[in-house]
Amino acid sequence: DAGVIQSPRHEVTEMGQEVTLRCKPISGHDYLFWYRQTMMRGLELLIYFNNNVPIDDSGMPEDRFSAKMPNASFSTLKIQPSEPRDSAVYFCASSNLAGRHTDTQYFGPGTRLTVL
Amino acid sequence: AQSVSQHNHHVILSEAASLELGCNYSYGGTVNLFWYVQYPGQHLQLLLKYFSGDPLVKGIKGFEAEFIKSKFSFNLRKPSVQWSDTAEYFCAVGANFGNEKLTFGTGTRLTIIP
Repeated sequence: DAGVIQSPRHEVTEMGQEVTLRCKPISGHDYLFWYRQTMMRGLELLIYFNNNVPIDDSGMPEDRFSAKMPNASFSTLKIQPSEPRDSAVYFCASSNLAGRHTDTQYFGPGTRLTVL
Repeated sequence: AQSVSQHNHHVILSEAASLELGCNYSYGGTVNLFWYVQYPGQHLQLLLKYFSGDPLVKGIKGFEAEFIKSKFSFNLRKPSVQWSDTAEYFCAVGANFGNEKLTFGTGTRLTIIP
């Protein structure tokens, strides 16, 4: 398996622009997680899905952030409008919990977002 | 809600030194525990995990961790580090019942001097 795939790997944009990050989870995994990593705050969970349904979005910082999972093999995280403080590395992870409540999450390579 | 503390923010060691990174968690119920590693410029990878059974867990690359329930700790150890162990190490805790989130610590940056 190719692992979790994220695109783009790097994104540089200007304040106010819309940014869309993409993730393809590992085939067969039923959970998908979006994280944000910064020096100041470490690794933060933004939102996670089970079988394409959002379960917990309490980590989404504000209404400018939205996430969708239209099918089992694709998810997007959108920021509109973007701000410099959104600059971070955004990771997608997937998991197949198979009845467990928590298990190994497999992380993608991340998208490094820079908002100027 | 669960929380994780990693007290060592940056550890610097010479090659062949022994390593112990601290991890303490706060949660009232049964937990699953994980250590992840992030090599420079790469994504997080699982080092080892504990669900139940033997509290001494062995992972990849010679790492091990011991779950001490009475101390709410899950410290990571390696008897002899190598330059290639330079990375950031994250401890994570997940509830054994109730929700599927993992809560990560803030990470410990490990620098190995050749």
